[in-house]
Amino acid sequence: ETGVTQTPRHLVMGMTNKKSLKCEQHLGHNAMYWYKQSAKKPLELMFVYNFKEQTENNSVPSRFSPECPNSSHLFLHLHTLQPEDSALYLCASSQSVAESSYEQYFGPGTRLTVT
Amino acid sequence: AQTVTQSQPEMSVQEAETVTLSCTYDTSESDYYLFWYKQPPSRQMILVIRQEAYKQQNATENRFSVNFQKAAKSFSLKISDSQLGDAAMYFCAYEDYGGSQGNLIFGKGTKLSVKP
Repeated sequence: ETGVTQTPRHLVMGMTNKKSLKCEQHLGHNAMYWYKQSAKKPLELMFVYNFKEQTENNSVPSRFSPECPNSSHLFLHLHTLQPEDSALYLCASSQSVAESSYEQYFGPGTRLTVT
Repeated sequence: AQTVTQSQPEMSVQEAETVTLSCTYDTSESDYYLFWYKQPPSRQMILVIRQEAYKQQNATENRFSVNFQKAAKSFSLKISDSQLGDAAMYFCAYEDYGGSQGNLIFGKGTKLSVKP
């Protein structure tokens, strides 16, 4: 596979469930990102990892827990979510995080519905 | 805090014609980057064009060009010879230079329809 892949593509979960979203990049990049895309709202950056270290947490509630075991994989662990957390979750990667901006490559997203 | 505003929720263009999507932003920084991203119905977001604020020359990529007005904090995207495949959501985005690296700030997007 090439580019940035995300699994699952669709997820329905109850508020008491625990689930995880997975992102994998095949581009040799060192930075990975989670974004939340809600209807009629701007795309919101959630987390940034650079060389496996978290460099940004954009005031995200603790019910979202990211994990970056290596530069190619990024997870978003979900527990006790709320209906307002229903959204498209996008993963992205870039060469690294640096002063000179690198293009971010996005995955297709996971459509999450919290019931 | 930086903000990005796209005032046109939806736009429509006839195939082969030209359309301009608007974007304004607010920042107190002098060095930054601006982007236009395209998100087709399949949802994979791709970069269309990028502009460094320190460059006065407007960026171009084939049929896509920008009109960057730094003093007015305006960054519009012009699509020439529109094609059916151009139909998508278009997002304007801003990134500080040397600030919160990798922190793209997006507008709400403009949905572009292309009529055959």
